Amino acid sequence: ETGVTQSPTHLIKTRGQQVTLRCSSQSGHNTVSWYQQALGQGPQFIFQYYREEENGRGNFPPRFSGLQFPNYSSELNVNALELDDSALYLCASSQGQGETQYFGPGTRLLVL
Amino acid sequence: LAKTTQPISMDSYEGQEVNITCSHNNIATNDYITWYQQFPSQGPRFIIQGYKTKVTNEVASLFIPADRKSSTLSLPRVSLSDTAVYYCLVGPFSSGNTGKLIFGQGTTLQVKP
Repeated sequence: ETGVTQSPTHLIKTRGQQVTLRCSSQSGHNTVSWYQQALGQGPQFIFQYYREEENGRGNFPPRFSGLQFPNYSSELNVNALELDDSALYLCASSQGQGETQYFGPGTRLLVL
Repeated sequence: LAKTTQPISMDSYEGQEVNITCSHNNIATNDYITWYQQFPSQGPRFIIQGYKTKVTNEVASLFIPADRKSSTLSLPRVSLSDTAVYYCLVGPFSSGNTGKLIFGQGTTLQVKP
């Protein structure tokens, strides 16, 4: 176990709704990265948070946003959900921006 | 980040040693090589990381030749529970760099009884 936790484990939403996913980083880690993994594909980088600030972003629209809190936990928010947003959302924490990342179990989101 | 190429799939039998090779011809001087294992509907699990020569831990070994243009993950005596997708990544894993991991398709390893 990595010590990275995510909630909820599963979620079903309808198109147009908004969703918030949560991640608690491993003790001693100040950096959290979020990834989207569609079925049969490798994870795709969404963005990274380092000490409460966004530090790098992948090719995702602005309706994907995030936050990092003083305890280094993080949230991923997705507005105006689309069917293609159905995926496994992964959170990874690390000791620094470029350090080895340890992943949580993921949140499975289904958009109907 | 350097692009990696690895076989889409591999088959093996229980008790055999499995070697998965990854090509990364454009690896940069400050790039490290990292391997992750992923089971269905779970997050990737860190296996091993190295820069050059050989690295060994309790799970696997990583062999990196002098030119660093490829690397080989070696899994000794695999079991059915080693059936998973294995990802090879290269990147500047050092402080000050955005830790954007670029995952390819990975190698699906099927271990048979």
